[in-house]
Amino acid sequence: ERVMTQSPATLSVSPGERATLSCRASQAVNRNLAWYQQRPGQPPRLLIYGASNRAAGIPARFSGSGSGTEFTFTISSLQSEDFTVYYCQQYNNWPPTFGQGTKVEIK
Amino acid sequence: EVQLVESGGGLVQPGGSLRLSCEASGFRFTDFWMNWVRQAPGKGLEWVANIKQDGGEKYYVDSVKGRFTIFRDNAKNTLYLQMNSLRVEDSGVFYCAKSGDNGYDYGENWGQGTLVTVSS
Repeated sequence: ERVMTQSPATLSVSPGERATLSCRASQAVNRNLAWYQQRPGQPPRLLIYGASNRAAGIPARFSGSGSGTEFTFTISSLQSEDFTVYYCQQYNNWPPTFGQGTKVEIK
Repeated sequence: EVQLVESGGGLVQPGGSLRLSCEASGFRFTDFWMNWVRQAPGKGLEWVANIKQDGGEKYYVDSVKGRFTIFRDNAKNTLYLQMNSLRVEDSGVFYCAKSGDNGYDYGENWGQGTLVTVSS
């Protein structure tokens, strides 16, 4: 099973600033990586798939990059609704596995 | 608009059974792999099982093999998860998720979830 490790666990950022989140896979997953946003009491929302492709309706301030074992997710200018938890997920191998999440909080 | 509506959750004793349902609408159900993903209270996400468009292939995470069964009724646009021999550690919100195009195992769309509590 691929273990996904996200860092940092918590990221403190001011509104309007950039947030950069990392995700590392225990073994290579090619570019088969997705990023999700989850607000309290809500299901996950797909933001990025294929490491860098924005899902339908996702604003351009969200972006992803990387391949193999190292991935980065960036929010270019944080809006108030962006302060929540983000998960990465690999789907290169069964079972699909998630990172433990990064909480983006207001600084 | 894609809609996924789960039901069937509730309180059950250890060793008991539940059947979850997910009614799908707004897309051609028969074109997509479908999935169940769970989230323990206050915890992260775990992919539980998925099923091919025609029901001919099914995959499970090791922790539920032999206890859970995923199946679908394409005539009713409904996905199911039969859960037997439930354990306390199975408790959580169970989400139904539609896979991405080409069968990739990411959740393109998600339901609101149904809560399963296993407790004596």
